[in-house]
Amino acid sequence: AQKVTQAQTEISVVEKEDVTLDCVYETRDTTYYLFWYKQPPSGELVFLIRRNSFDEQNEISGRYSWNFQKSTSSFNFTITASQVVDSAVYFCALSQGGSEKLVFGKGMKLTVNP
Amino acid sequence: KAGVTQTPRYLIKTRGQQVTLSCSPISGHRSVSWYQQTPGQGLQFLFEYFSETQRNKGNFPGRFSGRQFSNSRSEMNVSTLELGDSALYLCASSLFAGGPIEQYFGPGTRLTVT
Repeated sequence: AQKVTQAQTEISVVEKEDVTLDCVYETRDTTYYLFWYKQPPSGELVFLIRRNSFDEQNEISGRYSWNFQKSTSSFNFTITASQVVDSAVYFCALSQGGSEKLVFGKGMKLTVNP
Repeated sequence: KAGVTQTPRYLIKTRGQQVTLSCSPISGHRSVSWYQQTPGQGLQFLFEYFSETQRNKGNFPGRFSGRQFSNSRSEMNVSTLELGDSALYLCASSLFAGGPIEQYFGPGTRLTVT
């Protein structure tokens, strides 16, 4: 069975601080995909990144960076120099190859205070 | 390009009634998935449709059903509503099935069962 664990449920930081959101996953599949989504107060899930199980390269996109480590089954997300607009609930998700079905973690609420 | 639209946005129903929610995917997208989001259970996969065929189904009772039309629009139906069905129902569309690729989520329909 597939499972995603986001151990942190809520984090509060002050603007410009760096923050890392942890994600640990479980799957028996050799081909799988990992995702991060952001859910602002409006409710709509916003796609941030997709990574497949064969690509362990870290990725940086502006203030966002992702660290994928198969050895520890983790796919962590770091926001550098956080801003108030980053305040949202962040979800890590897992999908097996060939399926659109996403298994989500419980989410982590990030509050960035000015 | 218009995003995923869901109607209605808010709905209040009484226990025992039935409800139909609608989702219009992004133009050209042929795959539609549905998710239920509750504070207790988080985001849970309901179904996935592609070319009017259900490709995948989550672990929900038979009271939850769905369908997809030839124009890729999708509806989900919940019969004999229970208080526990109160949730945000999110629809996601993607270009094709057999991915997973980026899924674009709609704003959701917030269903309240009283």
